[in-house]
Amino acid sequence: DTVLTQSPALAVSPGERVTISCRASESVSTGMHWYQQKAGQQPKLLIFGASNLESGVPARFSGSGSGTDFTLTIDPVEADDTATYFCQQSWNDPWTFGGGTKLELK
Amino acid sequence: QVKLLQSGAALVKPGDSVKMSCKASGYTFTDHIIHWVKQSHGKSLEWIGYINPYSGGTNYNEKFKSKATLTVDKSSSTVYMEFSRLTSEDSEIYYCARSIAGWYFDFWGPGTMVTVSS
Repeated sequence: DTVLTQSPALAVSPGERVTISCRASESVSTGMHWYQQKAGQQPKLLIFGASNLESGVPARFSGSGSGTDFTLTIDPVEADDTATYFCQQSWNDPWTFGGGTKLELK
Repeated sequence: QVKLLQSGAALVKPGDSVKMSCKASGYTFTDHIIHWVKQSHGKSLEWIGYINPYSGGTNYNEKFKSKATLTVDKSSSTVYMEFSRLTSEDSEIYYCARSIAGWYFDFWGPGTMVTVSS
């Protein structure tokens, strides 16, 4: 299975720029997607196809990468962005998720 | 608007099975594949499999092939997942999610919590 590795946690101050990384154990081309999950809620799609912003998602969120290295950027970070962020690949079967990066605001 | 309504929390005994539902509304039901995802310990996510509501065709993660069975009732726009031979490791939250072009999940249900306890 394709293993997706994310840093477990990050802490930033409001107004700063934050990058969340996701590294795949094998190429997933641009079949990488990002989700935000707030406490007690279901995940919400932010970015699909590595760099495409889902409709209704603020332009503060952006994604980049291809192959094995991907990044989700939030600029600027707002207090409401406190959540866990997951990457997910759909290039290789079975589809897999990263372990999640918990973003905390200072 | 698109909605995925999932069945309520379930308390089941070890060794039993549980069948949970995911009722779709707000779009053409047969146009989108429905997936099931397990969330463990409130953190990690695992893809269980999907069903194509149009054809009834399924695809399972090998890890869950002997555990999960997906079915569909087109008349009620509902997808079901039956999880069998339950153990304490199955006490988690299960989400259904709609995918676009079978590629990514654009809408998720609120989840069904399953508790396995004697």
